[in-house]
Amino acid sequence: DQQVKQNSPSLSVQEGRISILNCDYTNSMFDYFLWYKKYPAEGPTFLISISSIKDKNEDGRFTVFLNKSAKHLSLHIVPSQPGDSAVYFCAASFAGGTSYGKLTFGQGTILTVHP
Amino acid sequence: EPEVTQTPSHQVTQMGQEVILRCVPISNHLYFYWYRQILGQKVEFLVSFYNNEISEKSEIFDDQFSVERPDGSNFTLKIRSTKLEDSAMYFCASSYSWDRYLAKNIQYFGAGTRLSVL
Repeated sequence: DQQVKQNSPSLSVQEGRISILNCDYTNSMFDYFLWYKKYPAEGPTFLISISSIKDKNEDGRFTVFLNKSAKHLSLHIVPSQPGDSAVYFCAASFAGGTSYGKLTFGQGTILTVHP
Repeated sequence: EPEVTQTPSHQVTQMGQEVILRCVPISNHLYFYWYRQILGQKVEFLVSFYNNEISEKSEIFDDQFSVERPDGSNFTLKIRSTKLEDSAMYFCASSYSWDRYLAKNIQYFGAGTRLSVL
């Protein structure tokens, strides 16, 4: 199942710089997208989401951009902090039929922010 | 802050045994989910549950799996006869509502139960 793909398994960034995490999807029915962060031995923690009726959503240091024509979304973290070091998952869901918000996840990207 | 709690954090069982994984979703949430993550692989959807019935399930969720909300606060996943390939981290999640235009369809996850089948 490759409907949601995060092609970069890891990303290393200097503290204070921008982190850009990317996600591609193939299913055009997806209309709601979320980013989760996961620390070891914890569950995924919600970060930020975006509906397909928007192309940008901001929350503090986190901004998600959605390009529907390219089926691509990205998460920008500015400025990056060492505490942001974690695995970041992109997830997607869609309305329709009997779907009740089932999330389809990407493989995750390990972000390391160096002091 | 309200959270989803899962017990136990680690369950070890013999192949063929039944296991029950327990979850307490956030109290005012209405939609409940189980996901699993096999080591090194993606988080995969298993099942969603709403209004006391399964609303959607994946191909993985075969007759060996069942879910229940026995008492209005707990949400359980039962695996009737465990196989080696059931070894994974199992995550419970809940959400208040599900509507793509509302902010309240965010799923909140528990810390997971690591199931080891020997």
